[in-house]
Amino acid sequence: GESVGLHLPTLSVQEGDNSIINCAYSNSASDYFIWYKQESGKGPQFIIDIRSNMDKRQGQRVTVLLNKTVKHLSLQIAATQPGDSAVYFCAETPYSGGGADGLTFGKGTHLIIQP
Amino acid sequence: KAGVTQTPRYLIKTRGQQVTLSCSPISGHRSVSWYQQTPGQGLQFLFEYFSETQRNKGNFPGRFSGRQFSNSRSEMNVSTLELGDSALYLCASSFGSGSDGYTFGSGTRLTVV
Repeated sequence: GESVGLHLPTLSVQEGDNSIINCAYSNSASDYFIWYKQESGKGPQFIIDIRSNMDKRQGQRVTVLLNKTVKHLSLQIAATQPGDSAVYFCAETPYSGGGADGLTFGKGTHLIIQP
Repeated sequence: KAGVTQTPRYLIKTRGQQVTLSCSPISGHRSVSWYQQTPGQGLQFLFEYFSETQRNKGNFPGRFSGRQFSNSRSEMNVSTLELGDSALYLCASSFGSGSDGYTFGSGTRLTVV
């Protein structure tokens, strides 16, 4: 079936640098996208979301970019801190489903922060 | 406000047994969805409930079932446990519109021996 995937299983960055985590999706019906952060022993934590009528959305130190033409999603984290170490997942769902379809998750990227 | 609460946090069961997991959503949230997380398959959608009705179900065998109560609390049940059912089971709650964010609980770690 269709799925949402991430390009890299592991990403290592220096503390203070910017991080970019990428995600490719294949479901053309996807119109709502979410980035989650999961720390060891915890459930996924909501970071930022974006709807398909937007191509960019900013939060605190995070930016999500959506390119519907190539079905690509990215998460940018500015000035990466040790507390950003976690596994990051992108997820998608068709808004038209009214929430019934659940989320389709990518496989996750483990972000490692080096001092 | 209180988050999504899942109980128990950890569970060890024997093959062939059955198990029931519980999820209390954020107050006011009417949708509860369940996910299975394993190292090999990642996060996979099990089913979603809204106002006590299952609206959708993922690609899992009939041994996996659930229900939702009038207070939006949900339970999922797995019968005739198999070793491969060992996983972290997560539930997420939302208002139910499909684009209002999904808040996850910390999960129940199920180990089948």
